[in-house]
Amino acid sequence: EAQVTQNPRYLITVTGKKLTVTCSQNMNHEYMSWYRQDPGLGLRQIYYSMNVEVTDKGDVPEGYKVSRKEKRNFPLILESPSPNQTSLYFCASSFSGGNQPQHFGDGTRLSIL
Amino acid sequence: QKEVEQNSGPLSVPEGAIASLNCTYSDRGSQSFFWYRQYSGKSPELIMSIYSNGDKEDGRFTAQLNKASQYVSLLIRDSQPSDSATYLCAANQAGTALIFGKGTTLSVSS
Repeated sequence: EAQVTQNPRYLITVTGKKLTVTCSQNMNHEYMSWYRQDPGLGLRQIYYSMNVEVTDKGDVPEGYKVSRKEKRNFPLILESPSPNQTSLYFCASSFSGGNQPQHFGDGTRLSIL
Repeated sequence: QKEVEQNSGPLSVPEGAIASLNCTYSDRGSQSFFWYRQYSGKSPELIMSIYSNGDKEDGRFTAQLNKASQYVSLLIRDSQPSDSATYLCAANQAGTALIFGKGTTLSVSS
């Protein structure tokens, strides 16, 4: 089954404790992206990747890191999480670029205390 | 800052009616447009893609694009209570990023 898989689905943690949210897709997509969704602010892009080893900042990259060492994986790293990063996070992928339909993972709800 | 604008709603329609959702975008270079449906607490689900001016129909859904007016719409015919959700409009930017509107909440009453 074609899918984008995120883990964990839920996480409650404390300020400053490094965490990684994993994202994996099995559709051989070149493009992958991370979004955060907050009430009243909609979906905002954090980082995207056009292909392996190619990443770029989206609208809200501060406080986040990403890497794309393999085509299927695109982890989101919060090296020193803060409460303002409490949000619902989505990973998405498309065949190539933002001009293609994106398939979303089920989301990760992060709470930073 | 490139933007996609939508009325937040809620848009309330009775069962069986036509729901009309609208969206405007600021980037004249956008070439690809998408409508996603999102149920509360769930991930966005692609409903329609549209790339050229005019109408595109898929079942009960029709997407309309007018690039001169920078306007995209989604019509849902014979609305059902199960259509109650938030609808997100998105436009690509420079082929790399996808910019989302904040969404319109649709409520279909039985």
